Order: sequence, then structure tokens, then C-alpha cells
Amino acid sequence: EVQLVEFGGGLVQPGGSLRLSCAVSGFTFSDYWMTWVRQAPGKGLEWVATIQDNGTEKNYAHSVKGRFTIARDNALNSLYLQLNSLRADDTAVYYCAKGHINCRSATCFDYWGQGALVTVSS
Amino acid sequence: FLTQSPATLSLHPGERATLSCRASQNIASFLVWYQQRPGQAPRLLIYDAWKRATGVPARFSGSGSGTDFALTISGLEAEDSAVYYCQQRTNWPLTFGGGTKVEIK
Repeated sequence: EVQLVEFGGGLVQPGGSLRLSCAVSGFTFSDYWMTWVRQAPGKGLEWVATIQDNGTEKNYAHSVKGRFTIARDNALNSLYLQLNSLRADDTAVYYCAKGHINCRSATCFDYWGQGALVTVSS
Repeated sequence: FLTQSPATLSLHPGERATLSCRASQNIASFLVWYQQRPGQAPRLLIYDAWKRATGVPARFSGSGSGTDFALTISGLEAEDSAVYYCQQRTNWPLTFGGGTKVEIK
């Protein structure tokens, strides 16, 4: 059974940093591109970042580029998102998601975690 | 940019729901649909405009190409109460529509 579990959410002050982790199981992690998607409270979905299966290619939303870093450790079956210079509008549930095999470069997502809430507030 | 309409759809069980997603530029068939039930993560329904994901009931169907797309739910069931999002996968950055909320009366 495919499982994705996010860790590391919480309350952080504006300008602060946080690192989210996503532990996966049930599939060969190193074969798939992976993605982070976020959802502000009561709002829609926003793509954040995607990383290639071998970690080489990374793509970011304009709103987070230069502040967030996506990474992975294939030996540990783990995906990460480092969030720096956090702002109030980064407050959201952050989901990790697995790329569908039939959508090149993980541009659609067939499995999602339950999400981790990040709240940016003083 | 993706525009979804209507914002809310309220229908009875058994009725047909038609959700629209319009792209601001030609995205060929690279359009994806997700369902998000309250308090849950999104679920992949349709990719590449019409291809049903594994385990998705046949009452969900997608159509369209270019700039105009539709998700049809034939024979609504209570469990279909959710917000439905479209997403384009033609170009980075990937973008989602604003969502259509389907309510079952």
C-alpha cells in the first residue's frame, strides 16, 4: 500500500524557517518525481515545487523561489521542503504528492499525504 | 490561467453534474481533474483530459482539448459531495483552477 506521511509542520514567526519531511512507503521512491502542493486555509490548491527522481532537476513556483528548497534522500525514502524567510501568506497545509507514471516529470499526482499545517504568525 | 465554473453546483442524487474548466491558452489535452472531499487530501480523477485514474468510478468522465474542458459526473451519489479542481500540466509553473464545489441536495 502506498503511503506518504508528512512531518514537521507547526507555528513559526515571520522571517523564520521550518523543514518539512515526507516519509514514503509502498513504492520504489527512487523511480518517481515528487511534488509539494499547498493549500491556504479555506482556499484552493497551489503547486509549490517538484523534484526529479534522481534529485537533479527542481522546479519552483514563483512565489517561493529563492526562499524554499526541495530535496530528497532516496536511501531514506524521504522528501523534504526547507522553508526559509517565511511570510504570513505561506500559512497553509503542505501536501507531498507522488508523480503519476503516465504524467511526465510528475506533472500530475496519484498519491497524496494527509498534509502538514504550517502557520506563520507572530 | 485556469477558470472553473460554476463556483458551486447544487444537485440531487442521480442527476448529472457538468463542471467546466477554461484555459487562457491552448494546453492541448494536458488537463487534470482532482476531487477533494472535506478534510481530505485531493484525489486524482482524470488526467490528460479524459483518462480515468485507477479505481475511479465510470460515472466520472472528462472531455475537451485546447482551452475548454469538462468533467461530467453521471448519476450523482452522496459521496461525490466535494470540491473539484482542474490543473494544467503543459508548462511550469503548474497551475490549478479555483475549484467547483458540488453539493448534493
